[in-house]
Amino acid sequence: GAVVSQHPSWVICKSGTSVKIECRSLDFQATTMFWYRQFPKQSLMLMATSNEGSKATYEQGVEKDKFLINHASLTLSTLTVTSAHPEDSSFYICSATRLGVSDEQFFGPGTRLTVL
Amino acid sequence: SQQGEEDPQALSIQEGENATMNCSYKTSINNLQWYRQNSGRGLVHLILIRSNEREKHSGRLRVTLDTSKKSSSLLITASRAADTASYFCAHAVRGSSNTGKLIFGQGTTLQVKP
Repeated sequence: GAVVSQHPSWVICKSGTSVKIECRSLDFQATTMFWYRQFPKQSLMLMATSNEGSKATYEQGVEKDKFLINHASLTLSTLTVTSAHPEDSSFYICSATRLGVSDEQFFGPGTRLTVL
Repeated sequence: SQQGEEDPQALSIQEGENATMNCSYKTSINNLQWYRQNSGRGLVHLILIRSNEREKHSGRLRVTLDTSKKSSSLLITASRAADTASYFCAHAVRGSSNTGKLIFGQGTTLQVKP
């Protein structure tokens, strides 16, 4: 149990286009979902915290107009990278906490974004 | 920055040896967690230790926590080539406004040579 999926697993796009990444909790309801980005050989940096039905809370330095987060249901959150540029190329990972159990986060497999 | 620090950044050992990784953090915590990441893949949760615990075991893993020093260590005993991966500590920041928020350490890259 507690499986989180991400779609797509990888995406290549042209500079200036927008890319949407989905994060789904497959077998549980997620109170909160988190979005991280990870550059090569670096650690995960939290971008934003997303709660169902409310606006996401962004970390300092993360542009909310560039990284749009929608958390429409207890099993789905989406991250849209708008007007993507090569510097947005990264590994994006989501995680979810289970309703009633906030200690453990369950991580998705990640999405590799390459912007040409 | 709240980001934790880990050392060593890289560790290379022979199969069968033990591997120890250390992690330090800056804030008060609810718990500290260790994760493993194979190259280019997602994270696998290894173990969680709460702020009122000092030591925890899971199979070949042993985690210690010293809240007075704001540090934790992960020991992998009798390492195997399959343990080759990056290991990250992550701490949950104490405080109602930060419930569930994890701050990751910089990670240790472990290579276990067969």
